[in-house]
Amino acid sequence: LAKTTQPISMDSYEGQEVNITCSHNNIATNDYITWYQQFPSQGPRFIIQGYKTKVTNEVASLFIPADRKSSTLSLPRVSLSDTAVYYCLVGLNGDTGRRALTFGSGTRLQVQP
Amino acid sequence: DSGVTQTPKHLITATGQRVTLRCSPRSGDLSVYWYQQSLDQGLQFLIQYYNGEERAKGNILERFSAQQFPDLHSELNLSSLELGDSALYFCASSVVAAGNLNEQFFGPGTRLTVL
Repeated sequence: LAKTTQPISMDSYEGQEVNITCSHNNIATNDYITWYQQFPSQGPRFIIQGYKTKVTNEVASLFIPADRKSSTLSLPRVSLSDTAVYYCLVGLNGDTGRRALTFGSGTRLQVQP
Repeated sequence: DSGVTQTPKHLITATGQRVTLRCSPRSGDLSVYWYQQSLDQGLQFLIQYYNGEERAKGNILERFSAQQFPDLHSELNLSSLELGDSALYFCASSVVAAGNLNEQFFGPGTRLTVL
């Protein structure tokens, strides 16, 4: 699986837009980019997934440039409840039956009032 | 609520003992995954079962084993426990239909403390 690099931590204030960038230089042609969110002592929660260009859902946007060597998770107007660890994952293990996720260290986002 | 249930929520035991963690996947999900999260190792994939059969193995110790039953619930057995096995153990499930969606639904976890 492609190795990912993300900032260890980020700070923001309520109401601001937060962009977390993930580097994945070794991404393979059939790899997808997936982001998860994890609150303390809870299981990770799927946020968004994309392959190229831009994907948007009700909670976030994912921007992927043409070379796909990086991606940016954008959280609009964050609130205190967005304080969590955000994981960027890349890859798809083999056939459709093998989908184990490889989590890196993640980015710890702290939102201040 | 993800729809995945795990029991027990907390477990305290002694070194050398054996414990069993249980997971019930979301209704309709055929695939179950087990992950271990400790402070110094982050989230580590242990093992995956799909419709009763082992499908993928990660960093699972030989002292650990798992199985998925016909009703699709899964159990993770940890034996000869060591202090370093203290961690949060998460179970996740997914549909694993055709396509590339990597959405897994995680349970609330079982916190294991080995004294």
